[in-house]
Amino acid sequence: QKEVEQNSGPLSVPEGAIASLNCTYSDRVSQSFFWYRQYSGKSPELIMSIYSNGDKEDGRFTAQLNKASQYVSLLIRDSQPSDSATYLCAVLYNFNKFYFGSGTKLNVKP
Amino acid sequence: EPEVTQTPSHQVTQMGQEVILRCVPISNHLYFYWYRQILGQKVEFLVSFYNNEISEKSEIFDDQFSVERPDGSNFTLKIRSTKLEDSAMYFCASREDGRDQPQHFGDGTRLSIL
Repeated sequence: QKEVEQNSGPLSVPEGAIASLNCTYSDRVSQSFFWYRQYSGKSPELIMSIYSNGDKEDGRFTAQLNKASQYVSLLIRDSQPSDSATYLCAVLYNFNKFYFGSGTKLNVKP
Repeated sequence: EPEVTQTPSHQVTQMGQEVILRCVPISNHLYFYWYRQILGQKVEFLVSFYNNEISEKSEIFDDQFSVERPDGSNFTLKIRSTKLEDSAMYFCASREDGRDQPQHFGDGTRLSIL
């Protein structure tokens, strides 16, 4: 069983701060990594993907991947109350099967 | 922007009955998936489908479950002899080929077993 671990939170940050979300995975063969945001009662929506070591930036979001340490993180700069949601880390195995972490709940306080 | 559509949005069924959940993936996508999310729990992989056959399935996806792509657009999940513990949100997703291609999720079907 492949494991994808996330701190369940809640992670509370003030508006305008940087939120840092982390994810570790168990299988070194993992190919690609995705961050999704899920609002309560809604489906996951993609924030960004990453598959090479290093940083990848998209607007206020930066994904960081370290395959040697088997972790992937998501930084949210200038956090807004609308960013309050559960953030899901997803890992792709065998080019076809995704495993999700249990998610980290983020609260951004105005 | 093209999207994955799921019907119905909410299905209420008596225990022991069969249900069929329907999905229309994005038209040029090649991989199709079903996931389950029990209230307050994680998104759980059920099955993936590629080239008209199941390519991966989880331990959850036992003989009670089946998937079908009956025509060029629909992708269905059938649950036979439903149990109370089948109550959950069921998400369909699709993606293009390629390791960096993400899944695109439908809005889900909330299945309630009474």
